[in-house]
Amino acid sequence: DAGITQSPRHKVTETGTPVTLRCHQTENHRYMYWYRQDPGHGLRLIHYSYGVKDTDKGEVSDGYSVSRSKTEDFLLTLESATSSQTSVYFCAISVSLGNPTDTQYFGPGTRLTVL
Amino acid sequence: AQKITQTQPGMFVQEKEAVTLDCTYDTSDPSYGLFWYKQPSSGEMIFLIYQGSYDQQNATEGRYSLNFQKARKSANLVISASQLGDSAMYFCAMRDDKIIFGKGTRLHILP
Repeated sequence: DAGITQSPRHKVTETGTPVTLRCHQTENHRYMYWYRQDPGHGLRLIHYSYGVKDTDKGEVSDGYSVSRSKTEDFLLTLESATSSQTSVYFCAISVSLGNPTDTQYFGPGTRLTVL
Repeated sequence: AQKITQTQPGMFVQEKEAVTLDCTYDTSDPSYGLFWYKQPSSGEMIFLIYQGSYDQQNATEGRYSLNFQKARKSANLVISASQLGDSAMYFCAMRDDKIIFGKGTRLHILP
């Protein structure tokens, strides 16, 4: 158990509404990540953070923004949700960023449905 | 370019048999790590095993072992004596300066 929680765990929303997903960790890890998981695509990186207020884009960042005002919390925001953003969202943490030996540990996931 | 491939979308295996899940990768970086994750039907991502590119021996963790063939750029997961609880989706991942995931293999263990 890597001490990662995600909220909400399930959400149904309508197209055009803003949505914020929260990732919370209790172990003070510097690096945090947001992924989305879709059938046939595996996991794809949306954004990641390497410290408080330090974030960068991943592979599929369009339509998403992130914020990290505290070490323990990493927020993912969909400013105006679209049906293509229906997915399962995973948060992950790691001790380092570029170290190939470093394992990522995942939160339980959030299932988001955009109608 | 960094790439990772899992060619088996699904597999059916009899309980207690050994299972090999295939994974091939491509990277130009000499330093990298290879990982396997299990995702049961409940949805969580569970870390199983890690292999470093400079490791001389294949990694093992209980019933899991990683068959690392560097020259062939393959990192197959071997599960010995499969159990019904091994039924899940399995993802291979590679990390050099960033981590990427394969599309997964769905494993079904038959009683």
